Amino acid sequence: AQKITQTQPGMFVQEKEAVTLDCTYDTSDPSYGLFWYKQPSSGEMIFLIYQGSYDQQNATEGRYSLNFQKARKSANLVISASQLGDSAMYFCAMREWGNTPLVFGKGTRLSVIA
Amino acid sequence: NAGVTQTPKFQVLKTGQSMTLQCAQDMNHEYMSWYRQDPGMGLRLIHYSVGAGITDQGEVPNGYNVSRSTTEDFPLRLLSAAPSQTSVYFCASSTTGGGLSDEQYFGPGTRLTVT
Repeated sequence: AQKITQTQPGMFVQEKEAVTLDCTYDTSDPSYGLFWYKQPSSGEMIFLIYQGSYDQQNATEGRYSLNFQKARKSANLVISASQLGDSAMYFCAMREWGNTPLVFGKGTRLSVIA
Repeated sequence: NAGVTQTPKFQVLKTGQSMTLQCAQDMNHEYMSWYRQDPGMGLRLIHYSVGAGITDQGEVPNGYNVSRSTTEDFPLRLLSAAPSQTSVYFCASSTTGGGLSDEQYFGPGTRLTVT
C-alpha cells in the first residue's frame, strides 16, 4: 500500500502568492518523520524541511512551513511569497522508526507565474 | 567534503549489457540507498544498506544487485539491462542510529538509457 500520497500532479501559483502542496501519509508506527524535498529542473534533490511525529509545533524554515495535522495524517508544505525560483518538483517523504528507508510520494510539479 | 558522488552522469546501454553504477560518500554515513526516478512515479527504492556488509531490498529490486564492502561505497549492478531500466538513478546516504530526523543526502544522479 502506498504510504505517501501527493494528489496534485501539477500546481500553478502567481509570484508573491502563497501555495500549499498536499501530502497525506499512512503508518501505524507512532514514531515517524516527514520530509519535503525540492527538485529543480537541474535534477538535484534539495532537502527543505522536516517534521517529527512528536513535534508539538509545525516546522518552519524561512519561507517554508509544514502544516502538520497528525489526526488527519497530513503534512502539507506551505510556501509563502512564491518566487520564480520555486518552480520545481516537490516530493513528500516519510521514514518510520528504526533504520527504515525514506519512502517518497510521486511528487507535485509547481510552476510559479510572473 | 565531496558529499555523495555518482559516476557516470550519463550512460547508454544496449539490452542485455551489464554495468555498474558507482556511488561513494565521504561523510562516514552508515546508511546508503539507491532510488530510481521515473516520470509520474516519484522516487522508488531499489536497495539499501545500513552498514558495511548489510544490504536489503527495497520496492523495486529485480534486475539489480548491490554489495557494501566499505562504508564509503555502494555500487549498483545491472546484470542484464532491459529497456524498463531506463531511468534516472539516485544514490543517497545518511547517518543511522534510528534518528528520524537524519537528513538524507543525495548524489547528482545517473541518467541511464537502455536501447
